[in-house]
Amino acid sequence: DVKVTQSSRYLVKRTGEKVFLECVQDMDHENMFWYRQDPGLGLRLIYFSYDVKMKEKGDIPEGYSVSREKKERFSLILESASTNQTSMYLCASGFSSSGNTIYFGEGSWLTVV
Amino acid sequence: AQSVTQPDIHITVSEGASLELRCNYSYGATPYLFWYVQSPGQGLQLLLKYFSGDTLVQGIKGFEAEFKRSQSSFNLRKPSVHWSDAAEYFCAVGEKGNKLVFGAGTILRVKS
Repeated sequence: DVKVTQSSRYLVKRTGEKVFLECVQDMDHENMFWYRQDPGLGLRLIYFSYDVKMKEKGDIPEGYSVSREKKERFSLILESASTNQTSMYLCASGFSSSGNTIYFGEGSWLTVV
Repeated sequence: AQSVTQPDIHITVSEGASLELRCNYSYGATPYLFWYVQSPGQGLQLLLKYFSGDTLVQGIKGFEAEFKRSQSSFNLRKPSVHWSDAAEYFCAVGEKGNKLVFGAGTILRVKS
């Protein structure tokens, strides 16, 4: 079974804090993704990575950065958390060919107060 | 740019009744199309996907979807809904490099 693990399920952070969300996959997938999910908006792509140390901006990258030092791990970083970043964050991974299934983690609920 | 529209935010059906969730997409070429399901507090699970060939696609949990190029639609169906099907359903279109563009989701409620 494919496993995408998001280490933190629920976090509460203060405005201005630096926040790290970690994601690990065990299927040797080239591609990894971070999505943000908000009610009525579906999932929106923040960043994705198609190889170690490679990253590309998605649709809503402002206020976020990412790091991929190892193939299996993809981190989302909020440099200075703000209340409008309160959301559910979903990590996903998949093989690189277009149309391949991507697999999701269980999500990280982040509340910024 | 690619986009996906799910016109129904909420749908309520009775247990045992049939179900159809609508999805329309905007994409220039032959699309890769997906349906995912999300139970409360969980990640997304793939129900089915369409790449090419037979336009009627079978998925897990008794779901199926039909690709209609002329209508730019990929509607999800199930002949008899179970209470455990209550969840949020997302339609998505695949872009180059395996990125997905998602619709806003449809929340399915099942009444007994």
